[in-house]
Amino acid sequence: DSGVTQTPKHLITATGQRVTLRCSPRSGDLSVYWYQQSLDQGLQFLIQYYNGEERAKGNILERFSAQQFPDLHSELNLSSLELGDSALYFCASSVEGAQYFGPGTRLTVL
Amino acid sequence: AQKITQTQPGMFVQEKEAVTLDCTYDTSDPSYGLFWYKQPSSGEMIFLIYQGSYDQQNATEGRYSLNFQKARKSANLVISASQLGDSAMYFCAMRAQGAQKLVFGQGTRLTINP
Repeated sequence: DSGVTQTPKHLITATGQRVTLRCSPRSGDLSVYWYQQSLDQGLQFLIQYYNGEERAKGNILERFSAQQFPDLHSELNLSSLELGDSALYFCASSVEGAQYFGPGTRLTVL
Repeated sequence: AQKITQTQPGMFVQEKEAVTLDCTYDTSDPSYGLFWYKQPSSGEMIFLIYQGSYDQQNATEGRYSLNFQKARKSANLVISASQLGDSAMYFCAMRAQGAQKLVFGQGTRLTINP
């Protein structure tokens, strides 16, 4: 158990819909990272927050947004969903050094 | 830009044998970190081992060791005395100093045969 929690574990929705993925980092970790894992793109960095502020941005679509709240949990919002957004979405947290990953949310867009 | 290459899509090893998973990297940054993660069929990403670019000695964590050859830009993972539970996808990743994101390779699927 990495100490990072993610909900929900599975999410099935339809094209055009909007979903919210939630992540709670390990106790004491200020940084939260979001990654997407798909069969064709592999593991891709989406975005990072540090203590409530956006710190780095990767290959995140404009339809996707994220935020980190004062209690340090983070949410990833995916809107106008397309079939190609089906993937495993990971949250990770760190203080420094290694990033510890949550169990992931498997999103299926039908 | 950083790039990780894992040239072995799949490997099959007999239980109790040692196995080496290959990883080469490309970066122009003088300072960076190299990581290995394990992803079992259940899907979670498990951190295994870390090597800093300025570390003089190869990193070890239990049965895992990292064979770091800086001049060759390789960071191979060695698993000693493999076990059935080692069957999983293994990802090599790097992060440049000052950067936030991890850059991952495509992974190697390791299967341990009894």
